[in-house]
Amino acid sequence: KAGVTQTPRYLIKTRGQQVTLSCSPISGHRSVSWYQQTPGQGLQFLFEYFSETQRNKGNFPGRFSGRQFSNSRSEMNVSTLELGDSALYLCASSLGAGTNTGELFFGEGSRLTVL
Amino acid sequence: AQSVTQLDSQVPVFEEAPVELRCNYSSSVSVYLFWYVQYPNQGLQLLLKYLSGSTLVESINGFEAEFNKSQTSFHLRKPSVHISDTAEYFCAAGRGSQGNLIFGKGTKLSVKP
Repeated sequence: KAGVTQTPRYLIKTRGQQVTLSCSPISGHRSVSWYQQTPGQGLQFLFEYFSETQRNKGNFPGRFSGRQFSNSRSEMNVSTLELGDSALYLCASSLGAGTNTGELFFGEGSRLTVL
Repeated sequence: AQSVTQLDSQVPVFEEAPVELRCNYSSSVSVYLFWYVQYPNQGLQLLLKYLSGSTLVESINGFEAEFNKSQTSFHLRKPSVHISDTAEYFCAAGRGSQGNLIFGKGTKLSVKP
């Protein structure tokens, strides 16, 4: 069974540009969550999608957005990039919404560097 | 607001020695607790979880954690570590279907020969 796939794995952008990251969850998983990981702030929750609907959103500015498609694949977009957006962006999938199913399956992440 | 605190950012230990990675959470409602491990350049992998029932949970590679409600703790322990246990460990808490996982800042375990 294939795991969570994130693309691209690495990317470099300049300030002011925008970026789109993609996540393919494990087959059969309907929930996709996104986290930002930085050395200073650790892992911070961005948003969660379940059946194409955003269920939860973290405390990030509106420049960060996401969506989920009918096949459960998800994308997140960051517009008007800032230096502080440099981070590892992790996608996780699970069978159900929330955390009561007990486990999130993480991808290897997309490492974004903003110059 | 719910929060998770990992008291040690780095823990160096010699091979075959015991180790404890500390985690405290704050919550006024029922909570689910998790430990994840992250190896270099990889995503997070679930190590063990507490959802309900027995307060002592174990992983397949010798780690264990005990849910202590009175002390709001979920410390991770291993009686004898290996070089391959070198990684960053994250404690996380969730509130079921109503929320996302909240992670601690992580503890880097470094096992020396």
